[in-house]
Order: sequence, then C-alpha cells, then structure tokens
Amino acid sequence: ETGVTQSPTHLIKTRGQQVTLRCSSQSGHNTVSWYQQALGQGPQFIFQYYREEENGRGNFPPRFSGLQFPNYSSELNVNALELDDSALYLCASSSGQGAVYEQYFGPGTRLTVT
Amino acid sequence: DAKTTQPPSMDCAEGRAANLPCNHSTISGNEYVYWYRQIHSQGPQYIIHGLKNNETNEMASLIITEDRKSSTLILPHATLRDTAVYYCIVRVQNYGQNFVFGPGTRLSVLP
Repeated sequence: ETGVTQSPTHLIKTRGQQVTLRCSSQSGHNTVSWYQQALGQGPQFIFQYYREEENGRGNFPPRFSGLQFPNYSSELNVNALELDDSALYLCASSSGQGAVYEQYFGPGTRLTVT
Repeated sequence: DAKTTQPPSMDCAEGRAANLPCNHSTISGNEYVYWYRQIHSQGPQYIIHGLKNNETNEMASLIITEDRKSSTLILPHATLRDTAVYYCIVRVQNYGQNFVFGPGTRLSVLP
C-alpha cells in the first residue's frame, strides 16, 4: 500500500509568482485535504476535495485554488504569492468507507517565498 | 479556533509512560477525540481516536473521562523517537469537516 506522496519537496518562489503543488492520495482514498503550516504553528485547513469537487474550505483567499483528478490525486495552486505564503503545505487523504475518517498526511512541500 | 487546550510542553524519561492531557470542555455529543503527532519536519501522523470508550492500539491508549470534557493520551513506554508535537483535536465524522489543529504539546523524551 502506497502512502500519501507530495511533490516537490522544497520550492523557492518570488513574490507575485504562481506555484502548483501536487499530491497523490493513499491507495483507496477518494478525499484529499490541503493544509498550510507556518513555522511553529499547527496546520491550518485550506480546502478539501471529494470526487473532484471542493467539499469544504477554510479561511483562505480565492488565490488559493485546487483540483482533484479522476485518480483522486490533487493539485494546490497559489497565485500572486506573498511572503506570508511561506510555509509547509500538507496534503492529507482519507476514505469515506466505514465510520472511521482519519486523515493520512504526506510529508509536505516546503515553500519559501522571497 | 481549536476547541482543545493542551500544555505547551512536557518532558518524559525514556522507558516511562508519557501521559498527555487534553481539555475539551465544549465537546459535542457527536464529536470524536483524535490524536495526531508531528515529528520535526514531517507530516502529522494519526495515532488514535475515540468517542466515549477508552481505546487502545499498537501505538497508544486513549482515556476519555465519563463526561467527555477531557482525555489523556498514554504512550506506555516512551522512546526517543516519540519526541514530537502531539495534537488533540475534536471533530465530527463527516465529509467537509476537517481537523482544526491547535499549537499542541511538545513532548521531549529524555534519555
């Protein structure tokens, strides 16, 4: 069974640029959630995708957008990067099967905006 | 905002039990208690969850008080590799309901 994978591992961008982060969900999981974790803080929920549709969103501006593909992998896109977007971006997958909805996290993508 | 309160840090001697407390006095009847941990620079790792009854798995035990207003995560024999930030989270089990992480407890296991 393959766990959640994310790419790239690290990324450096300049303020104003756009970035795309990628996530492959764990085998059998149809739901993907994205989180932003600033240094020294807990992860903050960005949004969730279920069967290719956004299924919930946290307090993030529209320049944070996403996609989910038929194979349940997902992308996080951030436009007009700001310095405060520097963070660890985490992807988590889960399955609706059964009553247990724990999320399994990937290793994250470290984004630095200069 | 997170619905839980945890001590910011704790120490534990290697080989001893680590008992991590969590207060969730406003928990609703349909909210579960989840525990995750995050080892430095890695993604959070699921540990255990429960609703009312105490739970145990290969990693830890979860003790939930009868009134459900607090819980304790127990690592029975802490090792140096258990050094991490531990998050206690309450949430309902529905799609679209995601985890609200607080600052957690930084557990340091000392040799």
